[in-house]
Amino acid sequence: DIQMTQSPSTLSASVGDRVTITCRASQTINNWLAWYRQKPGKAPQLLIYKASSLESGVPSRLSGSGSGTEFTLTISSLQPDDFATYYCQHYNSYPWTFGQGTKVEIK
Amino acid sequence: QVQLVQSGPEVKKPGASVKVSCKASGYTFINYGISWVRQAPGQGLEWMGWVSAYNGNTNYAQNLQGRITMTTDTPTSTAYMELRRLRSDDTAVYYCARGRTGIMITPSGLGNWGQGTLVTVSS
Repeated sequence: DIQMTQSPSTLSASVGDRVTITCRASQTINNWLAWYRQKPGKAPQLLIYKASSLESGVPSRLSGSGSGTEFTLTISSLQPDDFATYYCQHYNSYPWTFGQGTKVEIK
Repeated sequence: QVQLVQSGPEVKKPGASVKVSCKASGYTFINYGISWVRQAPGQGLEWMGWVSAYNGNTNYAQNLQGRITMTTDTPTSTAYMELRRLRSDDTAVYYCARGRTGIMITPSGLGNWGQGTLVTVSS
């Protein structure tokens, strides 16, 4: 199985900050990577698919990049709505494993 | 609009089985696959498996093989996830999620999610 490792596990930041979350795969997944945001008590929401494609309705301050085994999610200017937990997930082959999550909290 | 509505919370004893439903609307049911994802209290997301609503093909996470069955019912546009021989560490919120793209197209993540079903396993 392909393992997904996110870093950091927790990130403390302020409104307006630029933040970057990294996701590493244990083997190449090409660009078959998605990013999700989850708020407490809610279902996850798809943000990015195919590593860098923005899902419809997702603000352009979010962006994804990377290929092969290393990927990043960047929020260019953190907004109050962005304080949440973020997960990467590969869908290169079954099982479609998730990273362990990165919690973005208010500094 | 696409909606996935799941069944209500369940409380089960260890060793019992649970069957969670996920009723879809707003799209052609057989054109998409459904994944199931669970989240234990305070923990991350765990992909459990996938079922094709077109032909019933499945892929399950290795750690659940032998205990899990995913099925679909086309006339009611409903997907089901049954987990048997429940243990306390199966206590979690269980989500169904639809693929962003149809099964005839390269996958591109899970674009629509149900509201989640809390399954509590306790003696």
